[in-house]
Order: sequence, then C-alpha cells, then structure tokens
Amino acid sequence: DAKTTQPTSMDCAEGRAANLPCNHSTISGNEYVYWYRQIHSQGPQYIIHGLKNNETNEMASLIITEDRKSSTLILPHATLRDTAVYYCIVRSINTGTASKLTFGTGTRLQVTL
Amino acid sequence: GAVVSQHPSWVICKSGTSVKIECRSLDFQATTMFWYRQFPKQSLMLMATSNEGSKATYEQGVEKDKFLINHASLTLSTLTVTSAHPEDSSFYICSANSIGNTIYFGEGSWLTVV
Repeated sequence: DAKTTQPTSMDCAEGRAANLPCNHSTISGNEYVYWYRQIHSQGPQYIIHGLKNNETNEMASLIITEDRKSSTLILPHATLRDTAVYYCIVRSINTGTASKLTFGTGTRLQVTL
Repeated sequence: GAVVSQHPSWVICKSGTSVKIECRSLDFQATTMFWYRQFPKQSLMLMATSNEGSKATYEQGVEKDKFLINHASLTLSTLTVTSAHPEDSSFYICSANSIGNTIYFGEGSWLTVV
C-alpha cells in the first residue's frame, strides 16, 4: 500500500469546518483513499472513502485532487465529539481479495470551545 | 455501517495463562478479518489476516504460536494469546471486511497481564 503523509496535529474551533489534509503522491490507479478516526480507547470508525471523485456522506466530505496525489477530509461543523486521531489510508481494491489497512500516525484533531 | 463486536472489552489475566478474544461480524458475513494491536500513544499495528476456513497470515515479527487465530465461521474469528506475559498487555482490535469491501472495526479489547 502507498504511504500517506498527514500533519501530526491540528486545532479547530467548535462550529467551524475542520479541513484535514493528506498527501499520497505515490498512489496507484487501483488504490482508494480511506479515512478513519479513532476516539480515545475505541476501535477506529470508518468515515468515508473515494477513488477520484469527491464524495460526501452524513459525516464528512472528501475532496481528492485531480492528480490524486492528495486529498482533504472536511468536517463541515466540528463539535467537541469530533476530537480524535484521523487516519488517511490508501488501499487497493482487487476483485475477490480483501486487502489490509496499514495505519500511519494520523492527525490528532483537537476541537476547542 | 456494519457492526463488528469484540468480547471481552477488557480482561486481566495472570502471567503464563492464555486468554481468548472473540470478534464477531453481527450483520454481515466476513470471509476476511484482521487483528491489530495498539500500544499507548501509538498507531495500530497489523498482526495478522484471518481467512475463514484457512490458516491466518501473520505479519513479520508476529509469533504465530503465541497469537493463535481461528476463523471457523463467516461471522467469528478468535485470537488466543498463549502463555501471556506483561509485555503482551495492549489494546487488541479486530476488523472485518464487509460487502462493498469496506473494513469495519470492533470496539477493541484491553488485555492486562499481571
């Protein structure tokens, strides 16, 4: 799996949008970008994933650059409960196989009042 | 999203004993499950990939005779830590590959070896 680079930590004021960047310059054509988050002492929570088009769900939006070398996860209105470590992971999807997720160090997002 | 459940949530065991952690996919069948370990303030480290009906694939450096993995059905995988020692104390997390190829994680299991 390709490696990703994320800032170690970020702060965001409650109610504001949190924009978490991720660089994945060596991503391959069959690799998706996945985002998970881990709140302290819990298992990681799936947020969103995408291949090349921007994606949105009830939790967040994922913006992928046209060259797919970077992406941004957007939490539109951050709350204190969004304080967590956010992981950006690239993962290949091959028909008939289940490839693993390899976690980096992630971004520790602190949402403040 | 899909639900993955682990049991127990936390366990304390004596050094030298074995402890089993269960991972269940509650609303989907998972041919592949993954086991991770996480030490305090560190990221998740993949230990092994568990495939239903076959032997698990272990990551480099993980002792397969110490961390026994069984995936006997499409909804259950177990991790047994054998002859546990204090350095095995950690947060163990399982995950399962659901329909659509998205991986969902369990709540994690805290193991303390005394």
